[in-house]
Amino acid sequence: ETGVTQSPTHLIKTRGQQVTLRCSSQSGHNTVSWYQQALGQGPQFIFQYYREEENGRGNFPPRFSGLQFPNYSSELNVNALELDDSALYLCASSFARGNYNEQFFGPGTRLTVL
Amino acid sequence: QKEVEQNSGPLSVPEGAIASLNCTYSDRGSQSFFWYRQYSGKSPELIMSIYSNGDKEDGRFTAQLNKASQYVSLLIRDSQPSDSATYLCAVNVNRDDKIIFGKGTRLHILP
Repeated sequence: ETGVTQSPTHLIKTRGQQVTLRCSSQSGHNTVSWYQQALGQGPQFIFQYYREEENGRGNFPPRFSGLQFPNYSSELNVNALELDDSALYLCASSFARGNYNEQFFGPGTRLTVL
Repeated sequence: QKEVEQNSGPLSVPEGAIASLNCTYSDRGSQSFFWYRQYSGKSPELIMSIYSNGDKEDGRFTAQLNKASQYVSLLIRDSQPSDSATYLCAVNVNRDDKIIFGKGTRLHILP
């Protein structure tokens, strides 16, 4: 069974640039959630994708957008990067929808915005 | 604003003792509760999930849930130095897959 993978591991960008982060879900999972984790904080929910459609969104501006592909992998895109976007970006995959599915995290992408 | 509250710690516990981590949540409709362990610089690792009132045991870990009090806890028996980490409490909201995390409690096991 293949776990959740993310790329790249680390990324340095400058303010105003755009970035794309990638996630491959765990084998058998069809739902991907993205989180932003600032230093010393818990993960903050950005949005979730189920069967290629957005299924819930947290309190993040529209410059945070995403995609899910037919193989359930996903991308997180952030436009017009700001200094406060510097954080660990986490992808988590799970199976199906409902209250009881457990989410498993990938290793994360550390984004630094200068 | 639906919230999950945890004491940020650090919580220092002698090796071999029981570590008790606590969490409260505000959404009475929540039905799924999770504990994640996160080592410094790493991603969260799911260690326990609980869905009904009472206790759930898995090895040295016991999760306890009290929905009436909106309270969930994690007990770690026979604490080991390798248990030193940040423990994140997570709760689903709005009866969907969205999960809200607390800020985490830093646990330090003293050798």
